[in-house]
Amino acid sequence: QVQLVQSGAEVKKPGASVKVSCKASGYLRTGYYIHWVRLAPGQGLEWMGWINPYTGGSKSSPKFQGRLTMTWETSINTAYMELSSLTSDDTAVYYCASRYGPPTYMDVWGKGTTVTVSS
Amino acid sequence: EVVLTQSPGTLSLSPGERATLSCRASQSISSRSLAWYQQKPGQTPRLLIYGASSRATGIPDRFSGSGSGTDFTLTINRLEPEDFAVFYCQQYDSSPLTFGGGTKVEIK
Repeated sequence: QVQLVQSGAEVKKPGASVKVSCKASGYLRTGYYIHWVRLAPGQGLEWMGWINPYTGGSKSSPKFQGRLTMTWETSINTAYMELSSLTSDDTAVYYCASRYGPPTYMDVWGKGTTVTVSS
Repeated sequence: EVVLTQSPGTLSLSPGERATLSCRASQSISSRSLAWYQQKPGQTPRLLIYGASSRATGIPDRFSGSGSGTDFTLTINRLEPEDFAVFYCQQYDSSPLTFGGGTKVEIK
């Protein structure tokens, strides 16, 4: 079973960028997808995008296109999510999540990374 | 994009009662491509149901999912104290993947 370990909390100023990491341990077979999902205060879960670690292919929600970059570092089995031009609306807990198979639902989740955007 | 509307927003029930949560889609979801998650405060979401009615590994049989097309339901029979949480539906029929706004099941 894959486990996902995320980086620690971040505090950023408006206009800055944040980069969150998600290290996958265990046997990550071809066919796994890594998703990014966020939970803002008082809001519901919001899907941001996915990346396929083996092909490098990715897909993001139109809401984040132009601001969201998802990458994979093969040598250390780690996914990265970088969000730019931050505003206070980006204050949220950011989760990575995965599933073996098509990028549909998610059955393994990281513990989340809190990102606070404040001047 | 497919908009998922969950109702009610909050459900106040006592342990032992049955909870019925609704998830309505703005357009028909093919192949019953709908999942349900439970999230407790400060914790990670947990997959409960996929394919509209299949329980994920380790999920007790008091949780059941049903529905097709645009109307889906999560039923929790005989609520246990640990079941009180926020529940989300998620569609994966089309991109972007979308979640509903959530239903909070609280202790009455």
